[in-house]
Amino acid sequence: GAVVSQHPSWVICKSGTSVKIECRSLDFQATTMFWYRQFPKQSLMLMATSNEGSKATYEQGVEKDKFLINHASLTLSTLTVTSAHPEDSSFYICSARDSLTNTEAFFGQGTRLTVV
Amino acid sequence: GQNIDQPTEMTATEGAIVQINCTYQTSGFNGLFWYQQHAGEAPTFLSYNVLDGLEEKGRFSSFLSRSKGYSYLLLKELQMKDSASYLCAPEGRRALTFGSGTRLQVQP
Repeated sequence: GAVVSQHPSWVICKSGTSVKIECRSLDFQATTMFWYRQFPKQSLMLMATSNEGSKATYEQGVEKDKFLINHASLTLSTLTVTSAHPEDSSFYICSARDSLTNTEAFFGQGTRLTVV
Repeated sequence: GQNIDQPTEMTATEGAIVQINCTYQTSGFNGLFWYQQHAGEAPTFLSYNVLDGLEEKGRFSSFLSRSKGYSYLLLKELQMKDSASYLCAPEGRRALTFGSGTRLQVQP
């Protein structure tokens, strides 16, 4: 089946630094990818929709200047958490759908971010 | 917007059958997904319903009623490894939106 690869799977960073998370669709093209955040024992919350070749669409309450999204190609979207703070510590998950078949959304492995 | 309601927790016995219900309200509806998520892991796809009715896939079945905004996931012959969270996700105009999830605990 289709695979979405997310990297890194976990990262620890110091407060005030930036962290980049990559999401790649390995065997299909995705014009749209989605970034979710999940706090412990809570559901996945959609942060933003990443659109290839154009600006991302952010959900209400998500700071676009803090969570920079770039979707430069049909197989890669990146999420950069800028000036990270401890409250940004969370599980970040990307998902993508095959633009041609538009079937189920496949999820990356997730990235566990810890800001100290 | 979207409003999704499913039970927070359920407990069932190994070998039994359990039904997890989900009601939703969404602006624009294309279909409904069910995902399984083990703690600390990404969700894995279980089913996708577009039309009304029951879709069966092995031990798992999923039902959809579009007019009622209702779906359920049926798990048969429960196994210990089925202990996980089950996420109902109606597909609106854009992305999937997830319910709070139902944490299922399978007991021996």
